[in-house]
Amino acid sequence: EAGVVQSPRYKIIEKKQPVAFWCNPISGHNTLYWYRQNLGQGPELLIRYENEEAVDDSQLPKDRFSAERLKGVDSTLKIQPAELGDSAVYLCASSSSWSGSIYEQYFGPGTRLTVT
Amino acid sequence: GQQVMQIPQYQHVQEGEDFTTYCNSSTTLSNIQWYKQRPGGHPVFLIQLVKSGEVKKQKRLTFQFGEAKKNSSLHITATQTTDVGTYFCAGLRGDYKLSFGAGTTVTVRA
Repeated sequence: EAGVVQSPRYKIIEKKQPVAFWCNPISGHNTLYWYRQNLGQGPELLIRYENEEAVDDSQLPKDRFSAERLKGVDSTLKIQPAELGDSAVYLCASSSSWSGSIYEQYFGPGTRLTVT
Repeated sequence: GQQVMQIPQYQHVQEGEDFTTYCNSSTTLSNIQWYKQRPGGHPVFLIQLVKSGEVKKQKRLTFQFGEAKKNSSLHITATQTTDVGTYFCAGLRGDYKLSFGAGTTVTVRA
């Protein structure tokens, strides 16, 4: 079974430039998560999707971050414009259906973003 | 910021020794998961605890959920070099907010 796929694996951009990350979850997983992980910290949830609906985006900085999950499968996370403080690893995870509980999350390898 | 606190932040262990890492929440958790992240890797699911006072074992790893469902612990016996990594707990609060702790980073002295 293929795992969660993310691309690119690494990205270096200058501040004020836009950047996009792509995630393909495990087949059949309805729930998709985007996390940001800073060095020495745990993953911080940015947004959670149930199929194509964003059910929790309370921690997504909406002035510069946006996400979409068209057709309830692949997802894209965008930052525009990027700031120095956005340098981090962006992790995508997926799990089976959400029913008021949490299920085992499968994480992708992440995208390491460096903003210069 | 993190709503779930983990201690210690770092754990340096002699190979063969035991150690415990703790996860604490100020609010009652619906359930809690534990993940392991190897250096340069991504978090990998270890276990989920749901019931008050629940104890689960995986070989040398013992996971416990507190009676009040506000804390959890991971105890590793006879530490091996393969145990190196960062262990995260992730708690689900009653408002369905999922929060990861900052992790306990484990190094092992052979």
